Amino acid sequence: QVQLVESGGGVVQPGGSLRLSCAAFGFTLSSDGMHWVRQAPGKGLEWVAFISYDGNNEYYADSVRGRFTISRDTSKNTLYLQMNSLRTEDTAVYYCAKDRGGTGTPDYWGQGTLVTVSS
Amino acid sequence: QSVLTQPPSVSAAPGQKVTISCSGSSSNIGNNYVSWYQQLPGTAPKLLIYENNKRPSGIPDQFSGSKSGTSATLGITGLQTGDEADYYCGTWDSSLTAVVFGGGTKLTVL
Repeated sequence: QVQLVESGGGVVQPGGSLRLSCAAFGFTLSSDGMHWVRQAPGKGLEWVAFISYDGNNEYYADSVRGRFTISRDTSKNTLYLQMNSLRTEDTAVYYCAKDRGGTGTPDYWGQGTLVTVSS
Repeated sequence: QSVLTQPPSVSAAPGQKVTISCSGSSSNIGNNYVSWYQQLPGTAPKLLIYENNKRPSGIPDQFSGSKSGTSATLGITGLQTGDEADYYCGTWDSSLTAVVFGGGTKLTVL
């Protein structure tokens, strides 16, 4: 059974950094691509980043490109999102999600972790 | 401003049917699969429809999806109060090389 468990959220000052983790169970990261999607309070879904099943391709939303980095550790079956130069507008619940068969479709989602950027 | 356009809200009576539209362009819906998600209050999104009209295991046939050109539609029949949620469409955008979502539609079952 697929399960995704995010961690690492918290309160950080503008300009600061944070690393989110997403532990995967029931499948291996080397077989499926992975997404990060965020949701600001009271707002809709915003896709953040994607890494392919083989780790060779990464894609980012314009709003985070150059500041955020998606990566994974297949030995730990864990996905990461390194977030630098954080801004108040990055405040959101961050979800990791498994990609469905290379189609760009997030299918299984974690429960999310809240990131608050505030002074 | 979302790349995909959805109505902000829809409503219908219990037992009735409702449709939610999702409009895009040739770079996204027109040439890629559409998916639909349900987000109940305080929970993570759940995949309802993938590849335009397929339902994952465990999703009832109460939910259906279709696509025509650069638009897609989610249909929900036999509405219950438990279906009250936010619904999002999503797809890959080949020009942006990004996943794009609609702004979401809030379903109210009156």
